[in-house]
Amino acid sequence: GAVVSQHPSWVICKSGTSVKIECRSLDFQATTMFWYRQFPKQSLMLMATSNEGSKATYEQGVEKDKFLINHASLTLSTLTVTSAHPEDSSFYICSARPGTGGGFTEAFFGQGTRLTVV
Amino acid sequence: KNQVEQSPQSLIILEGKNCTLQCNYTVSPFSNLRWYKQDTGRGPVSLTIMTFSENTKSNGRYTATLDADTKQSSLHITASQLSDSASYICVVALTGTASKLTFGTGTRLQVTL
Repeated sequence: GAVVSQHPSWVICKSGTSVKIECRSLDFQATTMFWYRQFPKQSLMLMATSNEGSKATYEQGVEKDKFLINHASLTLSTLTVTSAHPEDSSFYICSARPGTGGGFTEAFFGQGTRLTVV
Repeated sequence: KNQVEQSPQSLIILEGKNCTLQCNYTVSPFSNLRWYKQDTGRGPVSLTIMTFSENTKSNGRYTATLDADTKQSSLHITASQLSDSASYICVVALTGTASKLTFGTGTRLQVTL
């Protein structure tokens, strides 16, 4: 299957600093990538949909100024957690869909990034 | 409200045994249902995807069933192995917008000796 790579796998940062997480589709192009957050023993929650060359679409309740998303190419999307606080500590996962059209296509997930804010 | 509920929340079985995980959903309009395996600290990996017209789909020792009338799905694992220990997540996609996935909370499976 297609490969989606996330980096870093884990990161520890001080409160108030910013952290950037990268999501790359290694062997396919993805117009659309998705960012999820997962707290322990809970479902993945969609944070935002990242569209190449345009602004991301954020889910209700997600602060767009805090979680900055950039999708500059068909293979790379980044999520920057700005001024991180301990409550932002979570598991962040991206996914990408091959192709540029809509409809039913498989979504491939990255391995996730464990963020711990101290 | 679109929801996906899974049962049991957790399950412990002996290696070599079979098990069945359940998923009930109220998502509408329905497009497809997916089962994912998520190892601890890792991203989900797709096991099966079924559309409205499919009743069953297999992937090795994993067999998923779907009853679109009752809005129920199951994932059957045959001859379990220690490496099957993981969370299994049922995910339902809405028609017309493949990006809108509704995730279940998962079933935590532990396979022991």
